[in-house]
Amino acid sequence: DTEVTQTPKHLVMGMTNKKSLKCEQHMGHRAMYWYKQKAKKPPELMFVYSYEKLSINESVPSRFSPECPNSSLLNLHLHALQPEDSALYLCASSQDQGQATNYGYTFGSGTRLTVV
Amino acid sequence: GQNIDQPTEMTATEGAIVQINCTYQTSGFNGLFWYQQHAGEAPTFLSYNVLDGLEEKGRFSSFLSRSKGYSYLLLKELQMKDSASYLCAVRRSGGSYIPTFGRGTSLIVHP
Repeated sequence: DTEVTQTPKHLVMGMTNKKSLKCEQHMGHRAMYWYKQKAKKPPELMFVYSYEKLSINESVPSRFSPECPNSSLLNLHLHALQPEDSALYLCASSQDQGQATNYGYTFGSGTRLTVV
Repeated sequence: GQNIDQPTEMTATEGAIVQINCTYQTSGFNGLFWYQQHAGEAPTFLSYNVLDGLEEKGRFSSFLSRSKGYSYLLLKELQMKDSASYLCAVRRSGGSYIPTFGRGTSLIVHP
C-alpha cells in the first residue's frame, strides 16, 4: 500500500458545527503532516507529528485541533470555523521528519472543506 | 527565512519541451523537491535534488545549481495530461527539515 487515504473528500459545515478530517497510511511512515491549500496557492504547513507526538504547530488557531491516535492515523478536529477556513486540507506522510527523508512526501488527495 | 520564486503560468505545445525555473534564497539548503499537482488533486512527487547537476527520470529531468540558488524542471515530449501546476519546494538545513513550497507554475499544454 503506497497511498495516503483521506476522508471525507468533500465537507460542508456551518460555523457552529464540529467535524473531523481523517487521514490514514500503512507505509510505516513515522511522520505525518497537515497542510492547508487555498486556490492557486501553495500548500501551507499546519501541523507535524513525528513518532505520534506533535512536533510542529505553525501557530494554527485553536479551532483546529490535531490528533494522532496511532502511527497510521491522523485526525484534524474542526470547531467553530470561519468562512475563510474554506480550503483544500491535505494530509501527507514521510519515512521520518528528519534529514533521512530524501524521497519526498506522499500526499493524500485532500478534503475540500467549505464553511458556510 | 526562505524566498522561492517561480513563474505563475506557462503555455506549451503538445510534443514540445518546456523548462520551468525556480530560484530560491535560503539561509541553509538541504534539498529541493519538484511536485506535480493536477487541479483538485494531491501533489505527486517528481524529483529531489540535493547535489548540483541534472537528474533524469524518463520524460522529466531536474537540474540544481546550489551556488546560483537555481533549479529547473525540464519536461520533454509534452502530453496533454502534463497540464498541471508544478511546485518547487526547498528544504532548509537544521531546524525542522520541512520543505517550504513555492507558489507553483501552472502549465497549460495545448494541441
